[in-house]
Amino acid sequence: QVQLVESGGGVVQPGRSLRLSCAVPGPILRNYAMHWVRQAPGKGLEWVAVISFDGNSKFYADTVKGRFTISKDNSNNTLYLQMSSLSAEDTALYYCAKDHEIQLMDSWGQGTLVTVSS
Amino acid sequence: SYVLTQPPSVSVAPGNTAKISCGGNNIQSKSVHWYQQKPGQAPVLVISYDSDRPSGIPERVSGSNSGNTATLTISRVEAGDEADYYCQVWDSSNDHYVFGPGTKVTVL
Repeated sequence: QVQLVESGGGVVQPGRSLRLSCAVPGPILRNYAMHWVRQAPGKGLEWVAVISFDGNSKFYADTVKGRFTISKDNSNNTLYLQMSSLSAEDTALYYCAKDHEIQLMDSWGQGTLVTVSS
Repeated sequence: SYVLTQPPSVSVAPGNTAKISCGGNNIQSKSVHWYQQKPGQAPVLVISYDSDRPSGIPERVSGSNSGNTATLTISRVEAGDEADYYCQVWDSSNDHYVFGPGTKVTVL
């Protein structure tokens, strides 16, 4: 199990932006794709975005495409999720997760809570 | 986009067997992965590639995939198996990852 630690959540007004971070061990961030997955209160898991190990490929769920940007900084051992034009529907616990063979998520952080409210 | 279906809930007595289905169009052509999530905790991978158990997952937990339905089976159910279970696939048509809606397993 890999230790992943998310941060950056909080309460944000509708229409505003927020950036989430996930601390990832260096060898993991350099060699594996990484995901963001979210879970609205009392709801199921929703995949949000994935970034390839080299950072050259990024894919997004239709619900966030054009508003969210996934990125990483290998020198800082950090995965990011830049979120803009936030709405109440984006309120959720956001997890970062390590990819395995472009198929599944085999290690998860504990999540950071984002609440979009005026 | 690819859609997965799961029953909202399954109830089982201790010692019995719980079967959780995951439906999808020709799902047998995809690899199905299963996660267990207990209240207040992050998901944990319990079955990968239809039927492989990650290290630390008991042999009581198994998976299968055929036709339009994948199945997670938990034998000799214990109180500690009470959790939400999610199936997941990778949709190669658009490089998206899809989760089922989840099934809440209640141990009676």
